[in-house]
Amino acid sequence: DAKTTQPNSMESNEEEPVHLPCNHSTISGTDYIHWYRQLPSQGPEYVIHGLTSNVNNRMASLAIAEDRKSSTLILHRATLRDAAVYYCILRDPVGSNYKLTFGKGTLLTVNP
Amino acid sequence: NAGVTQTPKFQVLKTGQSMTLQCAQDMNHEYMSWYRQDPGMGLRLIHYSVGAGITDQGEVPNGYNVSRSTTEDFPLRLLSAAPSQTSVYFCASSYSGRLGDTQYFGPGTRLTVL
Repeated sequence: DAKTTQPNSMESNEEEPVHLPCNHSTISGTDYIHWYRQLPSQGPEYVIHGLTSNVNNRMASLAIAEDRKSSTLILHRATLRDAAVYYCILRDPVGSNYKLTFGKGTLLTVNP
Repeated sequence: NAGVTQTPKFQVLKTGQSMTLQCAQDMNHEYMSWYRQDPGMGLRLIHYSVGAGITDQGEVPNGYNVSRSTTEDFPLRLLSAAPSQTSVYFCASSYSGRLGDTQYFGPGTRLTVL
């Protein structure tokens, strides 16, 4: 599985935008970029995913670099409820596509 | 829909005891899986199933058994508990397990083995 690198932690203030980076320099042409987050004492929940184009949904936006070696999850207005560990995950449709390979993720702290 | 449910929420075992962690989903999902999460680490896949009667091993299957007799249920059995199995266990399901499917996770079972 291609590897991802994320900062261990980030801090933000409430109602400000947050940009969570992820590096994946060994990404293959068929790997999808997925983001999940895990709120304290809960199971992970899906946030967003994409392949090449930027993606938006009600929770967040995903900006993918043109060379696909990095991506950024954007929370447009952080709330206290967004405090969580955010995981950037690559999924290969050619290989074993059942598994989500979780790294250590980025712990996001949101200050009131 | 209740989504993915797990029981119990907490469990303490002694070394050598056996037990079954329960997982159920009411979304008619074909794919179900079990992960464990150790402190400060990401989740690791234990076993998964792509449908009733079909199971396969993940990356850390030793010491665990699974079966899938119905679409709804996917229990995880610890055969002889060891302190190394102290962890938080998450069950997940998705429609097919394929690339674009969202995986839905249960709230977890916190297991301590003394």
